Amino acid sequence: DVKVTQSSRYLVKRTGEKVFLECVQDMDHENMFWYRQDPGLGLRLIYFSYDVKMKEKGDIPEGYSVSREKKERFSLILESASTNQTSMYLCASSSRDRGYKPYNEQFFGPGTRLTVL
Amino acid sequence: AQSVTQLDSQVPVFEEAPVELRCNYSSSVSVYLFWYVQYPNQGLQLLLKYLSGSTLVKGINGFEAEFNKSQTSFHLRKPSVHISDTAEYFCAVTPSGGSYIPTFGRGTSLIVHP
Repeated sequence: DVKVTQSSRYLVKRTGEKVFLECVQDMDHENMFWYRQDPGLGLRLIYFSYDVKMKEKGDIPEGYSVSREKKERFSLILESASTNQTSMYLCASSSRDRGYKPYNEQFFGPGTRLTVL
Repeated sequence: AQSVTQLDSQVPVFEEAPVELRCNYSSSVSVYLFWYVQYPNQGLQLLLKYLSGSTLVKGINGFEAEFNKSQTSFHLRKPSVHISDTAEYFCAVTPSGGSYIPTFGRGTSLIVHP
Protein backbone atom coordinates (compact mmCIF):
# COMPACT_ATOMS: atom_id res chain seq x y z
CA ASP A 1 0.00 0.00 0.00
CA VAL A 2 1.38 3.35 -1.02
CA LYS A 3 2.29 5.65 1.78
CA VAL A 4 3.22 9.21 2.54
CA THR A 5 4.04 9.86 6.16
CA GLN A 6 4.56 13.12 8.00
CA SER A 7 6.64 13.38 11.14
CA SER A 8 3.96 14.90 13.38
CA ARG A 9 0.16 15.14 13.33
CA TYR A 10 0.09 18.08 15.75
CA LEU A 11 2.81 20.56 16.61
CA VAL A 12 2.86 23.61 18.86
CA LYS A 13 5.73 26.07 18.59
CA ARG A 14 6.56 29.54 19.81
CA THR A 15 7.08 32.61 17.67
CA GLY A 16 10.64 32.81 16.43
CA GLU A 17 11.40 29.09 16.74
CA LYS A 18 12.86 27.15 13.83
CA VAL A 19 10.44 24.43 12.78
CA PHE A 20 11.10 21.30 10.73
CA LEU A 21 8.32 19.33 9.09
CA GLU A 22 9.38 16.02 7.60
CA CYS A 23 7.71 14.03 4.86
CA VAL A 24 8.66 10.56 3.64
CA GLN A 25 7.19 8.58 0.73
CA ASP A 26 7.82 4.94 -0.08
CA MET A 27 6.67 4.92 -3.73
CA ASP A 28 9.90 6.04 -5.40
CA HIS A 29 8.08 9.13 -6.71
CA GLU A 30 10.09 11.86 -8.38
CA ASN A 31 7.82 14.76 -7.44
CA MET A 32 7.14 15.97 -3.92
CA PHE A 33 5.08 18.93 -2.76
CA TRP A 34 4.35 20.98 0.33
CA TYR A 35 0.99 22.72 0.69
CA ARG A 36 -0.68 24.69 3.39
CA GLN A 37 -4.41 24.43 3.85
CA ASP A 38 -6.50 27.19 5.42
CA PRO A 39 -10.29 27.41 5.69
CA GLY A 40 -11.83 28.98 2.61
CA LEU A 41 -8.51 29.17 0.78
CA GLY A 42 -8.12 25.54 -0.25
CA LEU A 43 -4.62 24.20 -0.85
CA ARG A 44 -1.82 26.60 -1.61
CA LEU A 45 1.50 25.35 -2.92
CA ILE A 46 4.53 26.39 -0.90
CA TYR A 47 7.35 24.51 -2.64
CA PHE A 48 7.79 21.50 -4.82
CA SER A 49 10.68 19.30 -5.86
CA TYR A 50 10.97 17.20 -8.99
CA ASP A 51 14.26 15.54 -8.12
CA VAL A 52 16.83 15.18 -5.38
CA LYS A 53 18.39 18.54 -4.48
CA MET A 54 16.00 20.31 -6.86
CA LYS A 55 13.36 22.71 -5.62
CA GLU A 56 11.00 25.25 -7.07
CA LYS A 57 8.95 27.95 -5.40
CA GLY A 58 5.22 27.61 -5.37
CA ASP A 59 2.64 30.30 -4.85
CA ILE A 60 3.49 31.23 -1.24
CA PRO A 61 7.18 30.47 -0.51
CA GLU A 62 7.84 33.48 1.73
CA GLY A 63 8.93 32.46 5.21
CA TYR A 64 9.63 28.87 4.19
CA SER A 65 12.50 26.84 2.81
CA VAL A 66 12.82 23.18 1.82
CA SER A 67 15.38 20.45 1.61
CA ARG A 68 15.47 17.28 -0.45
CA GLU A 69 18.67 15.34 0.14
CA LYS A 70 17.16 11.92 -0.60
CA LYS A 71 14.49 10.96 -3.09
CA GLU A 72 12.07 9.72 -0.48
CA ARG A 73 12.32 12.64 1.94
CA PHE A 74 11.19 16.25 1.59
CA SER A 75 11.51 18.66 4.50
CA LEU A 76 9.78 21.97 5.05
CA ILE A 77 11.56 24.49 7.24
CA LEU A 78 10.13 27.55 8.92
CA GLU A 79 13.23 29.57 9.70
CA SER A 80 11.50 31.79 12.27
CA ALA A 81 7.93 30.74 12.94
CA SER A 82 5.26 33.41 13.08
CA THR A 83 1.62 33.28 14.17
CA ASN A 84 0.41 33.69 10.59
CA GLN A 85 2.03 30.35 9.79
CA THR A 86 -0.45 28.56 12.01
CA SER A 87 -2.06 26.17 9.55
CA MET A 88 -2.49 22.62 8.31
CA TYR A 89 0.53 21.49 6.28
CA LEU A 90 0.11 18.73 3.72
CA CYS A 91 2.83 16.84 1.92
CA ALA A 92 2.18 15.03 -1.35
CA SER A 93 4.08 13.04 -3.94
CA SER A 94 3.46 11.97 -7.53
CA SER A 95 5.15 10.16 -10.38
CA ARG A 96 6.31 11.60 -13.69
CA ASP A 97 6.48 8.18 -15.32
CA ARG A 98 3.81 7.92 -18.02
CA GLY A 99 4.04 4.16 -17.79
CA TYR A 100 3.15 4.29 -14.10
CA LYS A 101 -0.53 3.60 -13.72
CA PRO A 102 -1.47 6.33 -11.24
CA TYR A 103 0.33 8.82 -13.44
CA ASN A 104 0.03 12.41 -12.27
CA GLU A 105 -2.11 11.46 -9.29
CA GLN A 106 -1.02 13.00 -6.01
CA PHE A 107 -0.69 10.91 -2.86
CA PHE A 108 -1.06 12.87 0.35
CA GLY A 109 0.19 12.46 3.86
CA PRO A 110 -2.18 12.84 6.84
CA GLY A 111 -1.13 16.43 7.46
CA THR A 112 0.55 18.32 10.30
CA ARG A 113 -1.52 20.84 12.18
CA LEU A 114 0.93 23.51 13.30
CA THR A 115 0.06 26.09 15.91
CA VAL A 116 2.46 28.98 16.48
CA LEU A 117 1.92 30.85 19.72
CA ALA B 1 -2.15 28.95 -16.48
CA GLN B 2 -5.15 27.13 -15.13
CA SER B 3 -7.86 28.07 -12.69
CA VAL B 4 -10.50 25.99 -10.95
CA THR B 5 -13.78 27.23 -9.56
CA GLN B 6 -15.86 25.18 -7.19
CA LEU B 7 -19.14 26.96 -7.29
CA ASP B 8 -20.41 25.94 -3.86
CA SER B 9 -18.41 26.28 -0.67
CA GLN B 10 -20.91 24.20 1.27
CA VAL B 11 -23.57 21.69 0.20
CA PRO B 12 -25.98 20.40 2.85
CA VAL B 13 -28.04 17.36 1.91
CA PHE B 14 -30.12 14.68 3.58
CA GLU B 15 -28.98 11.09 3.72
CA GLU B 16 -30.00 8.99 0.68
CA ALA B 17 -30.59 12.11 -1.45
CA PRO B 18 -28.62 12.66 -4.67
CA VAL B 19 -25.86 15.25 -4.75
CA GLU B 20 -23.88 17.18 -7.35
CA LEU B 21 -20.72 19.13 -6.54
CA ARG B 22 -19.84 21.54 -9.29
CA CYS B 23 -16.41 22.24 -10.74
CA ASN B 24 -15.51 24.52 -13.63
CA TYR B 25 -12.04 25.16 -14.93
CA SER B 26 -10.25 27.38 -17.39
CA SER B 27 -7.13 26.46 -19.26
CA SER B 28 -5.45 27.34 -22.55
CA VAL B 29 -4.15 23.75 -22.88
CA SER B 30 -5.55 20.26 -22.49
CA VAL B 31 -5.88 19.14 -18.91
CA TYR B 32 -6.25 16.14 -16.70
CA LEU B 33 -9.00 16.42 -14.11
CA PHE B 34 -9.21 15.04 -10.59
CA TRP B 35 -11.54 14.93 -7.62
CA TYR B 36 -10.04 14.38 -4.17
CA VAL B 37 -11.83 13.84 -0.87
CA GLN B 38 -10.61 14.85 2.56
CA TYR B 39 -12.27 13.27 5.58
CA PRO B 40 -11.97 15.13 8.90
CA ASN B 41 -8.40 15.29 10.23
CA GLN B 42 -6.97 13.37 7.29
CA GLY B 43 -5.04 14.10 4.13
CA LEU B 44 -6.59 14.07 0.67
CA GLN B 45 -7.23 10.89 -1.26
CA LEU B 46 -8.19 10.42 -4.89
CA LEU B 47 -11.87 9.84 -5.67
CA LEU B 48 -11.58 9.69 -9.43
CA LYS B 49 -9.73 11.15 -12.39
CA TYR B 50 -10.13 11.87 -16.06
CA LEU B 51 -7.05 11.49 -18.26
CA SER B 52 -8.61 10.52 -21.60
CA GLY B 53 -11.27 8.29 -23.12
CA SER B 54 -14.83 8.05 -21.86
CA THR B 55 -16.05 11.33 -20.44
CA LEU B 56 -18.02 9.57 -17.71
CA VAL B 57 -15.65 8.50 -14.99
CA LYS B 58 -16.53 6.25 -12.09
CA GLY B 59 -14.66 6.45 -8.82
CA ILE B 60 -14.65 4.99 -5.36
CA ASN B 61 -17.58 5.00 -2.94
CA GLY B 62 -20.20 5.27 -5.71
CA PHE B 63 -19.11 8.66 -7.01
CA GLU B 64 -18.91 9.55 -10.68
CA ALA B 65 -18.04 12.63 -12.69
CA GLU B 66 -18.58 13.76 -16.24
CA PHE B 67 -16.05 15.72 -18.24
CA ASN B 68 -17.73 18.33 -20.43
CA LYS B 69 -15.14 19.95 -22.64
CA SER B 70 -17.46 22.53 -24.21
CA GLN B 71 -18.61 23.75 -20.81
CA THR B 72 -15.19 23.21 -19.20
CA SER B 73 -16.83 21.41 -16.33
CA PHE B 74 -16.18 18.27 -14.31
CA HIS B 75 -19.10 17.93 -11.91
CA LEU B 76 -19.10 15.20 -9.26
CA ARG B 77 -22.28 13.23 -8.58
CA LYS B 78 -23.60 10.53 -6.32
CA PRO B 79 -27.15 9.17 -6.61
CA SER B 80 -27.60 8.47 -2.89
CA VAL B 81 -25.32 9.84 -0.17
CA HIS B 82 -24.47 8.40 3.22
CA ILE B 83 -23.56 10.09 6.47
CA SER B 84 -20.02 8.82 5.92
CA ASP B 85 -19.72 10.96 2.76
CA THR B 86 -19.52 14.06 4.94
CA ALA B 87 -16.15 15.51 3.95
CA GLU B 88 -14.35 18.23 1.99
CA TYR B 89 -14.14 17.67 -1.76
CA PHE B 90 -11.51 19.25 -3.99
CA CYS B 91 -11.46 19.51 -7.76
CA ALA B 92 -8.02 19.78 -9.39
CA VAL B 93 -6.54 20.11 -12.88
CA THR B 94 -3.08 19.57 -14.31
CA PRO B 95 -1.91 20.36 -17.82
CA SER B 96 -1.64 17.19 -19.87
CA GLY B 97 1.50 18.37 -21.58
CA GLY B 98 4.12 18.05 -18.91
CA SER B 99 3.60 20.16 -15.80
CA TYR B 100 2.98 18.03 -12.75
CA ILE B 101 1.69 20.80 -10.58
CA PRO B 102 -2.06 20.65 -10.00
CA THR B 103 -4.27 23.66 -9.53
CA PHE B 104 -6.85 23.02 -6.81
CA GLY B 105 -10.24 24.55 -6.28
CA ARG B 106 -11.05 25.99 -2.87
CA GLY B 107 -13.08 22.96 -1.88
CA THR B 108 -16.73 22.10 -1.25
CA SER B 109 -17.84 20.94 2.15
CA LEU B 110 -20.47 18.21 1.79
CA ILE B 111 -22.58 17.90 4.91
CA VAL B 112 -24.93 14.92 5.02
CA HIS B 113 -27.74 15.13 7.55
CA PRO B 114 -29.66 12.12 8.89
